[in-house]
Amino acid sequence: QLVLTQSPSASASLGASVKLTCTLSSGHSNYAIAWHRQQPEKGPRYLMKVNSDASHIRGDGIPDRFSGSSSGAERYLTISRLQSEDEADYYCQTWGGGIVVFGGGTRLTVL
Amino acid sequence: EVQLVESGGGLVQPGGSLRLSCSASGFTFSSFAMHWVRQAPGKGLEYVSVIGSTGGSTYYADSLKGRFTISRDNSKNTLYLQMTSLRTDDTAVYYCVKPASYSSSLLEIWGQGTTVTVSS
Repeated sequence: QLVLTQSPSASASLGASVKLTCTLSSGHSNYAIAWHRQQPEKGPRYLMKVNSDASHIRGDGIPDRFSGSSSGAERYLTISRLQSEDEADYYCQTWGGGIVVFGGGTRLTVL
Repeated sequence: EVQLVESGGGLVQPGGSLRLSCSASGFTFSSFAMHWVRQAPGKGLEYVSVIGSTGGSTYYADSLKGRFTISRDNSKNTLYLQMTSLRTDDTAVYYCVKPASYSSSLLEIWGQGTTVTVSS
């Protein structure tokens, strides 16, 4: 069964960097994922695609402070030079065999 | 500019029905599958349904089968979600979403959402 697992929360200081993790279920380590950000009281916004080969493709208008990488079944989103606007919920999403799956989301607090 | 504008949300009693619409612009609507995703208050994103570009194929989350029907009118660039036998746990913001390409379900463009409240 295709499942994505995310830690419920993370925190980091203003101006610092943070790395969020999304873990694919067993047998699905070759899947690409997408990262989406949802700021408070707003709809989600697509950030980037992260492939199993660790390459990533940012969405239109997404600054290079956001980068993606991967290792095995883990997919990462790294945010550098944290800003207050980065305080949000971050969801990973994958797809395959006609289904779409979301992770439970990570709430990032910028201290 | 690609735009997705949902409408049709509102307050409905348990057991009632509602039809959501999503008006699309800025891309060739008839070439893309389209998706619905929802988010209950204080909860994460939940996948609802997808419809193929011609409307010939559909998929629903298991928990929704039989109650929700996705459809589209390519002549009007509009996506629909017909919801019946609504329950209180269907209360959510419903988002219309466009994928990044014809051949994948990487969700790229999100609408602003329309709120459905099921309550007596």
